[in-house]
Amino acid sequence: ETGVTQSPTHLIKTRGQQVTLRCSSQSGHNTVSWYQQALGQGPQFIFQYYREEENGRGNFPPRFSGLQFPNYSSELNVNALELDDSALYLCASSLVHGRPPYGYTFGSGTRLTVV
Amino acid sequence: DQQVKQNSPSLSVQEGRISILNCDYTNSMFDYFLWYKKYPAEGPTFLISISSIKDKNEDGRFTVFLNKSAKHLSLHIVPSQPGDSAVYFCAASANTDKLIFGTGTRLQVFP
Repeated sequence: ETGVTQSPTHLIKTRGQQVTLRCSSQSGHNTVSWYQQALGQGPQFIFQYYREEENGRGNFPPRFSGLQFPNYSSELNVNALELDDSALYLCASSLVHGRPPYGYTFGSGTRLTVV
Repeated sequence: DQQVKQNSPSLSVQEGRISILNCDYTNSMFDYFLWYKKYPAEGPTFLISISSIKDKNEDGRFTVFLNKSAKHLSLHIVPSQPGDSAVYFCAASANTDKLIFGTGTRLQVFP
């Protein structure tokens, strides 16, 4: 059973650029959630995808967008990058849509640095 | 506003002793609480959870206590081992699978 795989592991972008982060969910999992973890903070919920539709969104601006594909993998896109977007971006997959949330499996994250 | 708070950024405990990590929350609608452990360069891994209808849940060396009237939960690790050294996050949810995380407590277990 493979876990959650995220790519790339690290990247550096310039302010104003666009970035795409990728996530392959754990085998059999149909729900993908994205979290942003800024330095010294806990992860913050960005949005969730279930059956290729956005299913809930946190307090993030529209320049944060995502996709989920038929194989349940997912992308997180961020446009017009700002310095404050520098963070660890975590993807979590789960089998059961809804509660309880203990079924989350997190990836190792993508460390994004905006300069 | 910070709905889930971990007021101790770090904790240092001797091997074999008890580690107690604390978490406070403000949202009375939270009905499920979880603890995650995170090693550097890895994603958070689920440790233990508790429903709001319970006040204690135990799994091996790990026990979580929930005091709803005080809006407080704690994680007890007994006995603490060097491999327990990591950042511990408290998280909560309100009738959903979206999690609200605290800022984490770095636990160091020394010999």
